[in-house]
Amino acid sequence: AQTVTQSQPEMSVQEAETVTLSCTYDTSESDYYLFWYKQPPSRQMILVIRQEAYKQQNATENRFSVNFQKAAKSFSLKISDSQLGDAAMYFCAYSKQGGKLIFGQGTELSVKP
Amino acid sequence: NAGVTQTPKFQVLKTGQSMTLQCAQDMNHEYMSWYRQDPGMGLRLIHYSVGAGITDQGEVPNGYNVSRSTTEDFPLRLLSAAPSQTSVYFCASSRTKNSPLHFGNGTRLTVT
Repeated sequence: AQTVTQSQPEMSVQEAETVTLSCTYDTSESDYYLFWYKQPPSRQMILVIRQEAYKQQNATENRFSVNFQKAAKSFSLKISDSQLGDAAMYFCAYSKQGGKLIFGQGTELSVKP
Repeated sequence: NAGVTQTPKFQVLKTGQSMTLQCAQDMNHEYMSWYRQDPGMGLRLIHYSVGAGITDQGEVPNGYNVSRSTTEDFPLRLLSAAPSQTSVYFCASSRTKNSPLHFGNGTRLTVT
């Protein structure tokens, strides 16, 4: 069965600094999608970034980028120039064929002013 | 454009009671799903639908029923509530099987 592991329950970063959140996954499939979702205290789930496994180029969305290492089954999220509004719970998720998402346990990110 | 609408936002039930969590989307998405979120466990898939009339079980389906009579609606029924079902429930929809999910704002359910 596929699994997603986020080994950092909590992370902290200084405002304007860079932080990297880790995610590893286990799968025997070659075609799949990976996502990072953000959940602020409002409880809303917000898509941060999406990576297609067949694309070697790492996805980027403004200050958010990923380091996708397919062979190592690693999918880390880098947040540059951290802002107070980035404070939230971040979830890594894997989507196999069929569209069902498997989520990691989450990493709670705090941003210090 | 409402997106995915979940009702109610909060609910308290007594053990053994039944209830239905409502979910509706206005984006004409074929794929809809229900997740529960528990501390330290992320979100886990309860039930899933790829279109009207088609449903499938997820990772934690026991104690829950679903049906999909229309493209827009995907209600989740708790047959006999148990304290272990205390959780935050999210409904989500997507255009295709690998499109990003659009989430509702969640329902916090407490079973006493």
